Amino acid sequence: DGGITQSPKYLFRKEGQNVTLSCEQNLNHDAMYWYRQDPGQGLRLIYYSQIVNDFQKGDIAEGYSVSREKKESFPLTVTSAQKNPTAFYLCASSVPVTGFTGELFFGEGSRLTVL
Amino acid sequence: GQQVMQIPQYQHVQEGEDFTTYCNSSTTLSNIQWYKQRPGGHPVFLIQLVKSGEVKKQKRLTFQFGEAKKNSSLHITATQTTDVGTYFCAAPTRGNEKLTFGTGTRLTIIP
Repeated sequence: DGGITQSPKYLFRKEGQNVTLSCEQNLNHDAMYWYRQDPGQGLRLIYYSQIVNDFQKGDIAEGYSVSREKKESFPLTVTSAQKNPTAFYLCASSVPVTGFTGELFFGEGSRLTVL
Repeated sequence: GQQVMQIPQYQHVQEGEDFTTYCNSSTTLSNIQWYKQRPGGHPVFLIQLVKSGEVKKQKRLTFQFGEAKKNSSLHITATQTTDVGTYFCAAPTRGNEKLTFGTGTRLTIIP
């Protein structure tokens, strides 16, 4: 089945540690996105990538880094510089259509807790 | 940057009652999307509206895009327990490279 796979589903980390969240898609989508969701809040964009080897900062990129070496993969690293990393992280992909962003397909999310 | 305001933040309704959530933007939108997120789940795409004054229906759900393309609404008729979740609107920014999400309306149903 085609879809987006995020791992791990749950992750605990100590303060000061970097952690990398995996996002893989087999939908052959060009665009991929990372969103952060805090309890009772909407989704805020961290980074996005329209094409391999290229990515742009979203609204809350500080303390995060990404890479896009393959079309299928868009890993997110939460660095120790991120002051409030505990959150639910969602990866998404889309096929941009001329003139439109395209429907986003989301993974099941990764819940990060910093102890 | 562009903000998409969504109200109300929470809505509790008796099963069978109607529900409406509203999305407002200070700027004209090229299009707007709606998503549903079940408790503990991930957002799932519901619909995209493009035309001024557009109205689309999906069974008990009615989606509207304002004439000025600055606001949108989602109306659910005769809510059921399966409607529980958070409903988000989302609008494109920076051309159409990315989506900005509203803060969401969390719907709970009282059986």
